[in-house]
Amino acid sequence: GAVVSQHPSRVICKSGTSVKIECRSLDFQATTMFWYRQFPKQSLMLMATSNEGSKATYEQGVEKDKFLINHASLTLSTLTVTSAHPEDSSFYICSGGQGGAYEQYFGPGTRLTVT
Amino acid sequence: GESVGLHLPTLSVQEGDNSIINCAYSNSASDYFIWYKQESGKGPQFIIDIRSNMDKRQGQRVTVLLNKTVKHLSLQIAATQPGDSAVYFCAEPPLSGGYNKLIFGAGTRLAVHP
Repeated sequence: GAVVSQHPSRVICKSGTSVKIECRSLDFQATTMFWYRQFPKQSLMLMATSNEGSKATYEQGVEKDKFLINHASLTLSTLTVTSAHPEDSSFYICSGGQGGAYEQYFGPGTRLTVT
Repeated sequence: GESVGLHLPTLSVQEGDNSIINCAYSNSASDYFIWYKQESGKGPQFIIDIRSNMDKRQGQRVTVLLNKTVKHLSLQIAATQPGDSAVYFCAEPPLSGGYNKLIFGAGTRLAVHP
């Protein structure tokens, strides 16, 4: 149980374009979803926290207008990287949590490459 | 600032040996810790967790030890197998709070040699 999927698994886009990444909880309702970014050989850095039906809370230093997060339902959250640049190339991972519990269930990640 | 750090960035062990991965944390008020395993190109996978009212917790082939006096957490893997090769992260709630948020340590790469 507690499976999270992400789509796409890999995406290559041109500089200046926008990319949308979907995160779905398949067998549970994720009251909270988290978005992380991970550069090679580094740890996961939390970007934002989103609760279903409300605006996302962004971590310090993360541009909310660049990384648009929508958590429209208890099973779907999306991250849109707007006007992507090569420095946005990274591994983006989402996770879902169930209310009251710290444990997060992670998706398989999305490899974004901006050319 | 707050941090969840690791002593060893890379740990190499022989198959069958026991592995110990260490983690130092800075938030003495943390009441919960989790260990995650991340294989190359994949998302983190839950291994085991422990609450601050415990010193030790055991799972299948894994044991987590918590020493609150020195703010140290360790993950012990018994009879390490090639499939255990991955990066291991400890995580804890941040000093700043935040509903169910977790802050991840730097990670330790475990390399298991046959």
